[in-house]
Amino acid sequence: DSGVTQTPKHLITATGQRVTLRCSPRSGDLSVYWYQQSLDQGLQFLIQYYNGEERAKGNILERFSAQQFPDLHSELNLSSLELGDSALYFCASRAPGTSFDEQFFGPGTRLTVL
Amino acid sequence: AQKITQTQPGMFVQEKEAVTLDCTYDTSDPSYGLFWYKQPSSGEMIFLIYQGSYDQQNATEGRYSLNFQKARKSANLVISASQLGDSAMYFCAMAVGGTSYGKLTFGQGTILTVHP
Repeated sequence: DSGVTQTPKHLITATGQRVTLRCSPRSGDLSVYWYQQSLDQGLQFLIQYYNGEERAKGNILERFSAQQFPDLHSELNLSSLELGDSALYFCASRAPGTSFDEQFFGPGTRLTVL
Repeated sequence: AQKITQTQPGMFVQEKEAVTLDCTYDTSDPSYGLFWYKQPSSGEMIFLIYQGSYDQQNATEGRYSLNFQKARKSANLVISASQLGDSAMYFCAMAVGGTSYGKLTFGQGTILTVHP
């Protein structure tokens, strides 16, 4: 158990819908990273938050948005869903310190868009 | 931009033997970290080992060691005494400093199958 929690574990929805994925980092970790793992794109970085503020952005679609709340949990919102958004979405957290500390991954949310 | 290349889509190894999974990287940043993660069929990402660009010694963690050759920009993972439970997907990843804020860039992964 990495100490990072993600809910829900599985999500099945239809095209055009909107979903929210939730992540709680390890106790004391201020950084939250979101990654998407799909068959065609592999594992790619989406977005990072640090203590409530957006820090870095990767290949995140405009239909996707995220935020980190004062209690440090984070939510990833996916809207106008398309079939290609079906993927495993990971959240990871990292302790304060250098950029190179280990990132602890949550169990992931498997999103299926039908 | 950073890039990680894993050229072995699949590898097979006999139980109790050693196996090397290849990883090459590309970055112009002199300060970076290299990571290996294991992803079993259940899907979770398990951290295995880390190597910093300024580390003089190769990293080791139990049966895992990282063969770091900076001039060749390679960071191969060596698993000694393979076990059936080592069968999984293995990802090499890199983080650089500066405005990248530690985001990980992953390779495409290598599927390792351990035969009894």
